[in-house]
Amino acid sequence: GAVVSQHPSWVICKSGTSVKIECRSLDFQATTMFWYRQFPKQSLMLMATSNEGSKATYEQGVEKDKFLINHASLTLSTLTVTSAHPEDSSFYICSASSTGNWNTEAFFGQGTRLTVV
Amino acid sequence: AQTVTQSQPEMSVQEAETVTLSCTYDTSESDYYLFWYKQPPSRQMILVIRQEAYKQQNATENRFSVNFQKAAKSFSLKISDSQLGDAAMYFCAYRSVWTGGFKTIFGAGTRLFVKA
Repeated sequence: GAVVSQHPSWVICKSGTSVKIECRSLDFQATTMFWYRQFPKQSLMLMATSNEGSKATYEQGVEKDKFLINHASLTLSTLTVTSAHPEDSSFYICSASSTGNWNTEAFFGQGTRLTVV
Repeated sequence: AQTVTQSQPEMSVQEAETVTLSCTYDTSESDYYLFWYKQPPSRQMILVIRQEAYKQQNATENRFSVNFQKAAKSFSLKISDSQLGDAAMYFCAYRSVWTGGFKTIFGAGTRLFVKA
């Protein structure tokens, strides 16, 4: 149980285009999902907290117009990197918390490696 | 705001021996969760062990155990009988229970090497 699936696992896009990354909770409902960014050999940096049916809460320094987050259902959150540039190349990881089970850990997707060329 | 500090960028251990990874954190909250996650080369985050702050007893999971010192805000991970498969990045993490939308904050990580 508690499986989080992220899609795609990797993507290469041209500079200036937009890329959408999906995060799905497969066997539980997730009121809250989190999006992280990880640079090579570095830690996970929280970008935003996504709550179903409401606007995402972005961490300081994260451009909300650049990284659009939508959490339209209890099992799906999406991160869209708009007008991507090479500096947006990174590893993006989502995690999800089970509805009504606030005291559990968050479950992680397998991550998406984005390369902007 | 909460912070998590891992002061050891790298650690090395001989196979079958024991190693301890250090972690300190800062918070004004009294109730929270602490975690150790393992990130192998696949980069999939794997939960190693979890500690509830209100529990005094240190958590253990097979070869993994923690030394949780709440007053000192310290949360170290001990790996006994180290195996080659333990080689990975290890992240200490903090999660609020009541505030911040339950987001998980990570330390910088410790890369563990296991020598055969």
